Amino acid sequence: LAKTTQPISMDSYEGQEVNITCSHNNIATNDYITWYQQFPSQGPRFIIQGYKTKVTNEVASLFIPADRKSSTLSLPRVSLSDTAVYYCLVGEAPSGTYKYIFGTGTRLKVLA
Amino acid sequence: EAGVTQFPSHSVIEKGQTVTLRCDPISGHDNLYWYRRVMGKEIKFLLHFVKESKQDESGMPNNRFLAERTGGTYSTLKVQPAELEDSGVYFCASSQEVLDEQFFGPGTRLTVL
Repeated sequence: LAKTTQPISMDSYEGQEVNITCSHNNIATNDYITWYQQFPSQGPRFIIQGYKTKVTNEVASLFIPADRKSSTLSLPRVSLSDTAVYYCLVGEAPSGTYKYIFGTGTRLKVLA
Repeated sequence: EAGVTQFPSHSVIEKGQTVTLRCDPISGHDNLYWYRRVMGKEIKFLLHFVKESKQDESGMPNNRFLAERTGGTYSTLKVQPAELEDSGVYFCASSQEVLDEQFFGPGTRLTVL
């Protein structure tokens, strides 16, 4: 199974770009990488998902290098409301059996 | 559209008692997942249903845990008998297709005394 690790915490200031990296050294060829945001007392909320190269949506970008052993979530111009815990999730689907591995989570604190 | 709901939001029980957690997925989502986070640890995958069929139970901690999804709609996760180390937050999620975006419920916080 893919093992996923992330930095424990990060601090940033409002308006800055934040990049959070997840390492998944054992990722399999058919794994997808998904990022979630979680606020206290809530369930994780979907941010973005990708398989390779770069994916962008209205809130974030996801960069995945060719070897796919890591991925980087990029949040442009963060605001105070982006203070949360961010998780990567690797979905593995070998021959019909599905498993999902969450990263260790990165606690982002956005300062005024 | 209603999101994933979980009941109860909190449960406090004594060691040795039984607790049943319930998850109602988004209507039409065939895929339902259970996860849990124990204190200080990362979120761990427990199991995955496609409709009423269990896909993989290897994440279930032990045979004190039983998950069911009769009729392929809501799911229950029963812990019997509960132990202290079962304390944590149990999340349920659902998705339309496998490996699609998963929609998470707010979680059930279980405390075993």
